[in-house]
Order: sequence, then C-alpha cells, then structure tokens
Amino acid sequence: NAGVTQTPKFQVLKTGQSMTLQCAQDMNHNSMYWYRQDPGMGLRLIYYSASEGTTDKGEVPNGYNVSRLNKREFSLRLESAAPSQTSVYFCASTGQVRQPQHFGDGTRLSIL
Amino acid sequence: SQQGEEDPQALSIQEGENATMNCSYKTSINNLQWYRQNSGRGLVHLILIRSNEREKHSGRLRVTLDTSKKSSSLLITASRAADTASYFCATDGTNFGNEKLTFGTGTRLTIIP
Repeated sequence: NAGVTQTPKFQVLKTGQSMTLQCAQDMNHNSMYWYRQDPGMGLRLIYYSASEGTTDKGEVPNGYNVSRLNKREFSLRLESAAPSQTSVYFCASTGQVRQPQHFGDGTRLSIL
Repeated sequence: SQQGEEDPQALSIQEGENATMNCSYKTSINNLQWYRQNSGRGLVHLILIRSNEREKHSGRLRVTLDTSKKSSSLLITASRAADTASYFCATDGTNFGNEKLTFGTGTRLTIIP
C-alpha cells in the first residue's frame, strides 16, 4: 500500500523560480489537502479539494495555486518562489471530511 | 490563528513512565483528533474523539475531552522508546463548510531508555 506519495522529497530553488509539487493517493479518497509546516507553527492549510473538480483556499493560500488533476492527484504550484515559502509541505487525503487524514512524508523545500 | 494549542511544548520522560499532553482549543468542535509525527515523516492518525464523547481508549492511548473547558488530553501509558515523536491535536468546526482540520503546534515527546 503506497498511500499518499509526494514528489520530490527535497528541492532547492532560487527566488523567483517556479515549481510544482506532486501528490498522488491510491486509496480512492475524495478529499485532498496541502499543508505547510514551519517550526513552532504546526500545520497550516494552504489549499484543499473536497472532491474531484473543486478546490478552495485554506488559511495561507497566497503565492500558491493548485490543480486537482483527477481523483488521485492534487498538485501545488509555486509560481514565483520567495524565501518565506521555505518550509516542509505535506499532502493529505481522506475519504470523507471530518474523518482521519492520511499524510505523505513531505517535500522539504528551500528557497534561496 | 491556531485553533489548538498543546501543552507542554516538550516533554522528556523515562521509558516505562506515563506521558500526558494537553490540547486546548477556542471554538466549538465536531471532532478532535490526535496525530503522531516521527522525525522526518508525515503525520499518522492515532485516535478520533467526537464532541459527545468524554473518553476513548486505543491500546496504550487514552484520550479525554472536556468540551466545557475546550480541552483534551492524550495519555500514553508504559511509554516506549518508539513513542518518541511529536504529537498534534486537530479540530474541526461544527458549521457546514467548516469541516477542515486545524492543527495545534504540537508536543515533542522524548522517551529516555
């Protein structure tokens, strides 16, 4: 069981570069989420997709865009990376809202 | 702003002892969940307690919920070295459209062999 798979695991970018973080789940889950985790801040929700075809902003959406490509895949794009976006990014999924979420192992992103 | 705040921020105990960590939140909830995060890994769900429940057990884990005080506690009994991790509480709101989880800042637990 792969669960939630995130790629890449590590990435270093220069300010102004763009990149897309990939997330795929094989549990046939309806809802998918992108969080960022910063020291002392816990996890903060960036964007989520309650079901295929829908996306909504979370707590900290500025500087990010998302695409729910199909039921399995949910990508996060940084159009013009900034040092403040240095963080660990987690993707999660769940079959139903309010139910336990399953997390990937994260993408560690550094922006210089 | 963060819905949940864990206390203490860090806790070190001897193996075999019990570990208790607390979570406080600000607004009415539907469910409260606890997650564990090992270093360098994603979060793993431990237990979910509904707002109409007061206590729940799962193996060596015991969770209590006091909605009048807007607080929850996670007790890990007979701790093991493998319990070393960060623990997070997460809550969801009661209103339609407010089902998203809000995570606390976590308690870092270290079990000393």
